[in-house]
Amino acid sequence: DGGITQSPKYLFRKEGQNVTLSCEQNLNHDAMYWYRQDPGQGLRLIYYSQIVNDFQKGDIAEGYSVSREKKESFPLTVTSAQKNPTAFYLCASSIWGRNNEQFFGPGTRLTVL
Amino acid sequence: AQTVTQSQPEMSVQEAETVTLSCTYDTSESDYYLFWYKQPPSRQMILVIRQEAYKQQNATENRFSVNFQKAAKSFSLKISDSQLGDAAMYFCVYVNYGGATNKLIFGTGTLLAVQP
Repeated sequence: DGGITQSPKYLFRKEGQNVTLSCEQNLNHDAMYWYRQDPGQGLRLIYYSQIVNDFQKGDIAEGYSVSREKKESFPLTVTSAQKNPTAFYLCASSIWGRNNEQFFGPGTRLTVL
Repeated sequence: AQTVTQSQPEMSVQEAETVTLSCTYDTSESDYYLFWYKQPPSRQMILVIRQEAYKQQNATENRFSVNFQKAAKSFSLKISDSQLGDAAMYFCVYVNYGGATNKLIFGTGTLLAVQP
């Protein structure tokens, strides 16, 4: 089955630690995205990538980093510089261009202890 | 900057009844798309319906339809014959494909409860 997978589903981190969230897709999509969701809010864009080895900052990139070494994979690292990292993180992918639906993964819930 | 406003944090509907969720948006662009996404308790984000701004005809997908008023910048979602499985958070979403990011801009969501 084609789709997007995110792992782990739940992640706990101690303050001061970096942690990496996984996102993999087998839809052959060029573009991938990371969003953050906080209670009572919609999703906000962290980073996006149109093609392999290229990525751009979204609206709330501070304290986060990404890489795009393979078309299928777009991992997100939450660094210790992110002041309030507890949130729900969603990865999405799409064909780049007009009218191309973004397909979402099941999400990762990150909690900082 | 583009913004999306959903003024109804919570709504409730009886099973088999009809409910309308409201959304307004602000943009200076003329070429854009609007979507309604559904997020059930599983938190999986699911596309419900889309509307292209240059199309005057309102989009329909089975029991879901929209009322798109471009001049008023209004985009409401009507759910007919509501079912228990429709209970979810509904997000109104804007995207301008002429921009650099194809970034989805989300409203804050409306939590819909369906009463049996």
